[in-house]
Amino acid sequence: DADVTQTPRNRITKTGKRIMLECSQTKGHDRMYWYRQDPGLGLRLIYYSFDVKDINKGEISDGYSVSRQAQAKFSLSLESAIPNQTALYFCATSHTGQGFNEQFFGPGTRLTVL
Amino acid sequence: QQQVKQSPQSLIVQKGGISIINCAYENTAFDYFPWYQQFPGKGPALLIAIRPDVSEKKEGRFTISFNKSAKQFSLHIMDSQPGDSATYFCAARGYSGAGSYQLTFGKGTKLSVIP
Repeated sequence: DADVTQTPRNRITKTGKRIMLECSQTKGHDRMYWYRQDPGLGLRLIYYSFDVKDINKGEISDGYSVSRQAQAKFSLSLESAIPNQTALYFCATSHTGQGFNEQFFGPGTRLTVL
Repeated sequence: QQQVKQSPQSLIVQKGGISIINCAYENTAFDYFPWYQQFPGKGPALLIAIRPDVSEKKEGRFTISFNKSAKQFSLHIMDSQPGDSATYFCAARGYSGAGSYQLTFGKGTKLSVIP
């Protein structure tokens, strides 16, 4: 079941190009996140959004921007891609509530910047 | 900067053995400590989580041990199976203001269980 969907799954692009990665979810969650995964560095938070009108920077937001088009859609843009943005990108969702709210991850987008 | 330090980076265990992955943190304000499991080509998925007022939590073959005074927690996988081969991430949840929380992840441990 594809509760959190990411498109494209793989993308190869060139330095300087504008790239958009898209995330959609059918879980009805209000919170959405974008992470970047690099080998040996774990997962690092790029941006997160708690509702359509809320956008927050994460640990490594420089060089990235996001748009929350609807509760179910959250896109990540690289305005001018550079080689060190080559990485695996994950979208995640969670709901607002008491206690620990599990984050559900999409299948990832592998981005290569040449 | 908040950090969660995870070790080892990679681990090879024989089938039936015990796999142990360790994490340490500095920020005493962290309030949840989850472990995520990631198979190749997939996104991470929550495996088990613990609060700092609990010293141990067990779910099947997976156990989190938590030492609040040492600011350390670990994942134990009993009777490890080849199907457990995956990358494991520890994480810690911290408050980032305005009612929001963020997860800080360790760098991951690649576990290989050999027959």
